[in-house]
Amino acid sequence: AQSVSQHNHHVILSEAASLELGCNYSYGGTVNLFWYVQYPGQHLQLLLKYFSGDPLVKGIKGFEAEFIKSKFSFNLRKPSVQWSDTAEYFCAVKTGSQGNLIFGKGTKLSVKP
Amino acid sequence: GAGVSQSPSNKVTEKGKDVELRCDPISGHTALYWYRQSLGQGLEFLIYFQGNSAPDKSGLPSDRFSAERTGGSVSTLTIQRTQQEDSAVYLCASSRRSGTDYGYTFGSGTRLTVV
Repeated sequence: AQSVSQHNHHVILSEAASLELGCNYSYGGTVNLFWYVQYPGQHLQLLLKYFSGDPLVKGIKGFEAEFIKSKFSFNLRKPSVQWSDTAEYFCAVKTGSQGNLIFGKGTKLSVKP
Repeated sequence: GAGVSQSPSNKVTEKGKDVELRCDPISGHTALYWYRQSLGQGLEFLIYFQGNSAPDKSGLPSDRFSAERTGGSVSTLTIQRTQQEDSAVYLCASSRRSGTDYGYTFGSGTRLTVV
């Protein structure tokens, strides 16, 4: 069965530090990839997505992610985090054989002011 | 509507009782999904509906769980004879069609507590 792994359960950074959250998936075929964010007390919202084309995808709020097919990875990055980036981040994948997204267990990011 | 609406926002129920959770998707969204979010467990897929097709029920954890979608719009998730392990946030999402590049729009969820 397809699965999504997020390597870090909780990441703590100071403001202005660089961020990279890992995401790996297990599926050898064509995939669509997503990052969602859940700010405290808010609902999940789409951060960015990859369907095809340029493997470096830019999303909202300065986030970007790079699809590396050979590594089955879709890591999320941000050069300089802010306190307002404190949230839980979920990686998700959709394969050609499924109609629903498969989510990772999430990474909680805490940014210290 | 402007977003995905879920009700109730919070539900406390006694073990063994049945509960119904409601989801009102965005108008025009043909696909509707239910997930369960538990602490440290991420989002667990439960069921999804696409248009008039038979729903994909492959994620339902037991036969105590069922869902229906009436008229291609509102959906109800029913949990019979609730157990304490059913306590979680139940999330509903909709999209224009299954697998679209628009991604999901999520509701705020229903927090279910079984006591």
